Amino acid sequence: QSVLTQPPSASGTPGQRVNISCSGSRSNIGRNTANWYQQLPGTAPKLLIHNNNQRPSGVPDRFSGSKSGTSASLAISGLQSEDEADYYCAAWDDSLDGSVIFGGGTKLTVL
Amino acid sequence: EVQLVESGGGLVQPGGSLRLSCAASGISFGNFWMSWVRQAPGKGLEWVANIKQDGSEKYYVDSVKGRFTISRDNAKNLLYLQMNGLRAEDTAVYYCATGQTTMVKWGQGTLVTVSS
Repeated sequence: QSVLTQPPSASGTPGQRVNISCSGSRSNIGRNTANWYQQLPGTAPKLLIHNNNQRPSGVPDRFSGSKSGTSASLAISGLQSEDEADYYCAAWDDSLDGSVIFGGGTKLTVL
Repeated sequence: EVQLVESGGGLVQPGGSLRLSCAASGISFGNFWMSWVRQAPGKGLEWVANIKQDGSEKYYVDSVKGRFTISRDNAKNLLYLQMNGLRAEDTAVYYCATGQTTMVKWGQGTLVTVSS
């Protein structure tokens, strides 16, 4: 059972906006930044958002992140078919020695 | 271009050992924390271990403590994961990645299957 809780699935139609939530606690998201990773089918994960809301070079601005208290959120606007993937949130957890924790992942389906 | 290439995966019997390697190129390897992350078949991501730039700090997820050892050779741009006492639940694709709290660049992964 993941310490960071994500909905197992999400869906939307092309052009829509979708939000994926990530619920944590004070020891992880509450005191540290959240990151988001995208894993396309059959490929390695890719960093999508870091430091709560920063996009690495090359990530479209359709992807945005936010954090409030002990929760983080990933928003995808102008949904495209190629966005169909698994999305994982992650954060450092102060209560676990040197540990990074991942959410259970959210499978996004583009209808 | 940054490249991380894992190797060393394969089929091993329960209780056996395996050493994974991760060859880095396109980066100043010695300047980065490095991490191992695994993904069991059909499951989510799980952080396994990380190591500081000079190897002076190493951290492990509880389930592998005492069985796995992370190490690095900065002269050869290589990251290692020595896995002993392997169990069926260690079956996964193992990814190496740059970074400690944020995994910026990832390799393509190497599959470890623990089965008799």
